[in-house]
Amino acid sequence: GAGVSQSPSNKVTEKGKDVELRCDPISGHTALYWYRQRLGQGLEFLIYFQGNSAPDKSGLPSDRFSAERTGESVSTLTIQRTQQEDSAVYLCASVFPEIAGSTDTQYFGPGTRLTVL
Amino acid sequence: QKEVEQNSGPLSVPEGAIASLNCTYSDRGSQSFFWYRQYSGKSPELIMFIYSNGDKEDGRFTAQLNKASQYVSLLIRDSQPSDSATYLCAVNAWMDSSYKLIFGSGTRLLVRP
Repeated sequence: GAGVSQSPSNKVTEKGKDVELRCDPISGHTALYWYRQRLGQGLEFLIYFQGNSAPDKSGLPSDRFSAERTGESVSTLTIQRTQQEDSAVYLCASVFPEIAGSTDTQYFGPGTRLTVL
Repeated sequence: QKEVEQNSGPLSVPEGAIASLNCTYSDRGSQSFFWYRQYSGKSPELIMFIYSNGDKEDGRFTAQLNKASQYVSLLIRDSQPSDSATYLCAVNAWMDSSYKLIFGSGTRLLVRP
């Protein structure tokens, strides 16, 4: 497809379970970002990938959160032992930066709405 | 801590009026500025970006940047009910060894028919 895709679109899980969220960026986009958006709030940076390396993981809220990326393609965000405060929309954005490490126009996927009961 | 501030609103304007959305940022080194529109339950979509001081126009939208005063604004002319959404300001900043987009919490715009 032409845009960023994310799956699942909705995920309801029980507290303590692990979840895995997937992002397929736009083909050729080398950089990929993960954000979290709580209800009524702005976007909270989680992690950034350049290729398959993550130069900046500073936004991950705790060691329960991890992410990986295969080449310049799919990325997965894993949340272990989910807590109710993890409930949010998780957004992925891809970008083709002209200068490595800079930010350019980010194109967002539709998001995954995570609900932890 | 690099910050981007927006009034949460809601900003209510009548149809056909000009809506003015404002954003201030703390990092003087920021070079790129973006406005995203987010409809309820949807992901953000880019409306405009601006890199240079002054005005940039695209259809009914005008972005204005003043780096000396560290603010960026978005004007929407001839506002339509379909413009009702949350508008997110985003600013790039060098933090923790990489550039990041720092987002404001958004201004909710309501255009009354």
